[in-house]
Amino acid sequence: DAGITQSPRYKITETGRQVTLMCHQTWSHSYMFWYRQDLGHGLRLIYYSAAADITDKGEVPDGYVVSRSKTENFPLTLESATRSQTSVYFCASSENVNGYTFGSGTRLTVV
Amino acid sequence: AQSVSQHNHHVILSEAASLELGCNYSYGGTVNLFWYVQYPGQHLQLLLKYFSGDPLVKGIKGFEAEFIKSKFSFNLRKPSVQWSDTAEYFCAVIPAFSGGGADGLTFGKGTHLIIQP
Repeated sequence: DAGITQSPRYKITETGRQVTLMCHQTWSHSYMFWYRQDLGHGLRLIYYSAAADITDKGEVPDGYVVSRSKTENFPLTLESATRSQTSVYFCASSENVNGYTFGSGTRLTVV
Repeated sequence: AQSVSQHNHHVILSEAASLELGCNYSYGGTVNLFWYVQYPGQHLQLLLKYFSGDPLVKGIKGFEAEFIKSKFSFNLRKPSVQWSDTAEYFCAVIPAFSGGGADGLTFGKGTHLIIQP
């Protein structure tokens, strides 16, 4: 589905650097989410947003910051990247409880 | 808060074998239930979902799942698997009245399914 786009697809960064992962959706869905996927942990919710300018912490928010100034964008920033943040990050959007649509993911490696 | 448990972390089957992946959830109220599939290198795709009504739901690619309320289970089944079913499978749950999904889906840890030709 071209409706939700994540960039970049792959990113290698150094410990301590700030990194921003982008997420853009074209459906005007109210809800947007950031998950990280790690072996043995499945998908864990980092942050979510119910609307522009409304965000809230998920299960694993430490070390991450989000913003949502526009409905269609939901960037995720790692303020000072650590090796434990090496993961695959998925953005998702939803209009209701009927189900979410996921982006293609960003594979982030912190060295 | 809700939680999801998937019993099998790795499953290896031969083509044409029958498949059943277990999923149990923990939550005191009404939930919506989902199975997602992630093919190698790809994003998650919805296989099927259950909200209400007939507890046996059919999804894409010949998959089905049965909701058993008394057991808090939502097991995924397929009568005859194919090599192309090799993927990661995730069960997920969300409270049915969470106001639009604000709390986010809660996922199980996933089951890695390998189908041998």
